[in-house]
Amino acid sequence: EIVMTQSPATLSVSPGERATLSCRASQSVSINLAWYQQKPGQAPRLLIHGASIRATGIPAAFSGSGSGTEFTLTISSLQSEDFAVYYCQQYNNWPLTFGQGTKVEIK
Amino acid sequence: QVQLQASGPGLVKPSETLSLTCTISGDSITGYYWSWIRQPPGKGLESIGYIHYSGSTGYNPSLQSRVTISVDTSKSQFSLKLHSVSAADTAVYYCARGSPVFDTWGQGTLVTVSS
Repeated sequence: EIVMTQSPATLSVSPGERATLSCRASQSVSINLAWYQQKPGQAPRLLIHGASIRATGIPAAFSGSGSGTEFTLTISSLQSEDFAVYYCQQYNNWPLTFGQGTKVEIK
Repeated sequence: QVQLQASGPGLVKPSETLSLTCTISGDSITGYYWSWIRQPPGKGLESIGYIHYSGSTGYNPSLQSRVTISVDTSKSQFSLKLHSVSAADTAVYYCARGSPVFDTWGQGTLVTVSS
C-alpha cells in the first residue's frame, strides 16, 4: 500500500497570503494524484486531478504541481472560504490511499 | 447536476452488518463508477471500494473479506454492506461518483457501532 504523507499538519496563513501544501508518496505515483478540500461538517470536494488539472468550477487560485513522489498544492491568495482541511489522494495503485490532511487555518 | 444521498441506520451493533444505500438523482447511473469512502470521527479518509454500473467491483484489501457493494440501475442506487462490524468501523460513510477520482460526493452519513 502506498503511504501518502502531507506536510505541514497545520498551516497558519493570513487572508490574502499564499499557501503551499506538500504531499509525498512512499513510491512513485506518476501524476495520478488528486487534491480535495473539506470544510467542517461537509463532504470533501475535488479540486485537482492528474496532479495539476483543476476540476470543473475550481478557481484558478488553486494550482497543483509535481510528479513521481513529490506534489504541491498552492493557493495563490487565501480567501475566507479557503480555510479548510486539504487531502491528497493517489490513484496509481490499488488500494487508493489518502494523506492525513493539512489544516489551513487563519493566522 | 448530480446529487448523491446516502441513507441507512445510524446505529449498528457489534458483529452485525452495516447496510447503506446511495440514491443518485440529476444524472444517470449508467456510464460511471460509484464509490464508498469512510472517515472515522476526527480522522482521515479511507477508500472502501467501487462498483461500475455494469456490476464490476473493486474492494480495499483491508476490508475485502467483509465488504459487498451492489448496484440497482432501475432504482439509480448502489449499496454497501459491511459485515461483522466493530467499534473501529464507526465513521461517516460517503458515497461518491467516480473511481479512482471522486468528482461528486454525497453529504455523508454517520454510522456508530455500539451495543
